[in-house]
Amino acid sequence: ILNVEQSPQSLHVQEGDSTNFTCSFPSSNFYALHWYRWETAKSPEALFVMTLNGDEKKKGRISATLNTKEGYSYLYIKGSQPEDSATYLCAFIVSNAGNMLTFGGGTRLMVKP
Amino acid sequence: DSGVTQTPKHLITATGQRVTLRCSPRSGDLSVYWYQQSLDQGLQFLIHYYNGEERAKGNILERFSAQQFPDLHSELNLSSLELGDSALYFCASSPTDIFNFPGGNEQFFGPGTRLTVL
Repeated sequence: ILNVEQSPQSLHVQEGDSTNFTCSFPSSNFYALHWYRWETAKSPEALFVMTLNGDEKKKGRISATLNTKEGYSYLYIKGSQPEDSATYLCAFIVSNAGNMLTFGGGTRLMVKP
Repeated sequence: DSGVTQTPKHLITATGQRVTLRCSPRSGDLSVYWYQQSLDQGLQFLIHYYNGEERAKGNILERFSAQQFPDLHSELNLSSLELGDSALYFCASSPTDIFNFPGGNEQFFGPGTRLTVL
């Protein structure tokens, strides 16, 4: 059973704060890590697909880094806005598991105006 | 709007019954994935089809089955339903699979079907 853990489970920040959260995954047999953003009453939307150790991806104010050797990825949000409020999910693909995404429990971010 | 459609949006049925959930992937996408989101669990991968063939199987119960048709739409069949099967079922699609695209394509999720078993 693969264990993908995300911390913290939830986070409350003020508008304008920068924040980050962690996704931990098994470092052996790594193939890829995906980040998704899931707003309430909507469907998950892909943010990043990361494959290489040291990968850094950026989309607007959101960025992510990947360390496959130690088994973690960080997601950063710079200058949080209320519209960033959502659950952020990471999902891990093992090299011999086809396209099977194993999701973490998510970090629920709430940004107060 | 991701371009993935799922029907029905809501389904209420009784224990012991059988239901079929339908998913149409984005135009051109060959891969379809099914996920289950229960109240007490995160998103759980059920099954993946690529161009009509089963590619990967997750924690899918024997009472559940799926298929992908030649027009690439997919159906998830749930039978002998139990109260614990009540959940949100998502379908997602992607252009290809990891064997054809390193890292795997990002997946585009449909709006989900909320199944309530009474």
